[in-house]
Order: sequence, then C-alpha cells, then structure tokens
Amino acid sequence: SQTIHQWPATLVQPVGSPLSLECTVEGTSNPNLYWYRQAAGRGLQLLFYSVGIGQISSEVPQNLSASRPQDRQFILSSKKLLLSDSGFYLCAWTDRGWLYGYTFGSGTRLTVV
Amino acid sequence: RKEVEQDPGPFNVPEGATVAFNCTYSNSASQSFFWYRQDCRKEPKLLMSVYSSGNEDGRFTAQLNRASQYISLLIRDSKLSDSATYLCVVNGDTGGFKTIFGAGTRLFVKA
Repeated sequence: SQTIHQWPATLVQPVGSPLSLECTVEGTSNPNLYWYRQAAGRGLQLLFYSVGIGQISSEVPQNLSASRPQDRQFILSSKKLLLSDSGFYLCAWTDRGWLYGYTFGSGTRLTVV
Repeated sequence: RKEVEQDPGPFNVPEGATVAFNCTYSNSASQSFFWYRQDCRKEPKLLMSVYSSGNEDGRFTAQLNRASQYISLLIRDSKLSDSATYLCVVNGDTGGFKTIFGAGTRLFVKA
C-alpha cells in the first residue's frame, strides 16, 4: 500500500532563517506531488506541484521554492522566512489519473517568530 | 464570488441528528468533486467522491447538482466521532492541478 511521510511535525523558526521540509512517498511510482499551505481558519492554498523529477510548477509567487530530486521525494524550502509564512504545510500525492483524489501527509505546523 | 463557498458554521447538533452541508462552486467546467474530512490540527482525509448520480456510503450521502453548481453532504444519525471540519473540494481539470478547496464547515456533535 502507498504511504506518505512528512517531517518535521512541528517547527518554530525565527524570521529570516532558512526552511526545509521534506516529503516522501512509498509504494507507488511517478506520483503527482503537491505542497499546500493552510492558514488558520482558511482553506488550503496550492503552493507547488510536480509531475516528475525536476519538474516544478508554482501557483503562488512568494519566497518559497520546491524541488523534486527523486521520483518520490518533494522538498519545500525557503532562504529567509517571513512571519506570513506561518501555517500548516501539507504534502500530498495523487496517482496519474487522479482517480482517488489527494492523499495528504500528516503536515508540518510552522510558526515563524 | 469565491470559487468554492461553504457555510463555515459551526453546526452544533445532538447525537442522532441529520445534518446537511452545501457547497457552491463557480467554475461550470469543473470535472470532479469530493468531500474531505479534517480533524483538528490533522491532515484532510478523503471522505467520499461525489458523482452526478449521487452516492451513498453508510450514513453519508453526497449529491451533485451541475445545473445549479452545488454539491451537498448529508450525514444521518450523527455520532460524536463525526465532529470535524468538512471540506468541499472541486477539481477544475483532469490532472488535479486546478483543485480548489473550500474553507470548510465545522461540525460539533453533542451528547
């Protein structure tokens, strides 16, 4: 069966510090991968998606970036965090046919102080 | 108008009650529709897909009305464990890249 791992679960970072969140998927190949952010009391906002190694599409201009160095690995990064980057970050995957919707990782709760 | 709109609630209902949530969407070309459930401080999990013919899974029934551009979720015989936020999800294409999540409807089921 497929599983998705995301870490860390919680992170408190000072303004201006770098960020690296990692997500890996097991039990499938060639997944579509996504990074979402959820601000308190709001809907999920798509940040990046990827259909293959090295292929990244950005939905929202910001100081975040994403990379996909391996087929089942997706990384979210920032060189300098802003207070507004605080939120709940979720990695997700879907199969190519998008038959079963998203499966989300357990999320990273980021607080920038 | 928001692309996907839900009543934020909260809905406070007693155990055993029937509760219904509606969700409207603005893109008439939307391809697929889902309801997700999100527990407090957890990730969303797929509850059910929504088909044009309507579908039922135990106590849960989902309906799609393309003409009026809304989907609904009906929960019968509510349980305490149904307390959560229910997210309406509308996919605007076949690749999952134009997916819009509603902000969610909060449900509290009381004993």
